[in-house]
Amino acid sequence: KNEVEQSPQNLTAQEGEFITINCSYSVGISALHWLQQHPGGGIVSLFMLSSGKKKHGRLIATINIQEKHSSLHITASHPRDSAVYICAVRFQGAQKLVFGQGTRLTINP
Amino acid sequence: DTGVSQDPRHKITKRGQNVTFRCDPISEHNRLYWYRQTLGQGPEFLTYFQNEAQLEKSRLLSDRFSAERPKGSFSTLEIQRTEQGDSAMYLCASSLWGHQQETQYFGPGTRLLVL
Repeated sequence: KNEVEQSPQNLTAQEGEFITINCSYSVGISALHWLQQHPGGGIVSLFMLSSGKKKHGRLIATINIQEKHSSLHITASHPRDSAVYICAVRFQGAQKLVFGQGTRLTINP
Repeated sequence: DTGVSQDPRHKITKRGQNVTFRCDPISEHNRLYWYRQTLGQGPEFLTYFQNEAQLEKSRLLSDRFSAERPKGSFSTLEIQRTEQGDSAMYLCASSLWGHQQETQYFGPGTRLLVL
């Protein structure tokens, strides 16, 4: 059983729409990562969070430690945002990352 | 380009053959991780090194798999007697442990197809 759950699994939207991807996890964590994976496989780290909120350009990541939930938002979405977005957590006391199954985002022009 | 390189990028092999992959991390990074990703799934942890010491191995890492990081720099992952179920993307990541914000930098991956 995967201890990190993402929703939705697939998301298709029109250019300009506000996008939200959700991540829930089972027990306490020391850090949560949001990653972006383009076709071909390369993974880029977008954010690392342990509390609160971070913003970079059109991307915003939030985390609610009490609810064990994080969201990744994309404002003014663009076709180049099309990718798989992956949530990964480091559970407390552990060193490895545990990954969600990813959300495939497609932004149509 | 994250600064982490992997070689080869693609490998096609026949069942029963041995394969070896290489990962070159960012030079000052002391941690190196190996992950496996199958189609439509998120990556799964295989093993990690701190410098040359292999500190944790997943139960996914059967006795056909072995990983080394002999000088604490590059790492190799070998799969012996490959099976069709080994077909996957093998990802390497490196990080600077001890740094306040430990971010893992991923390589481009090696895509393995076992026929």
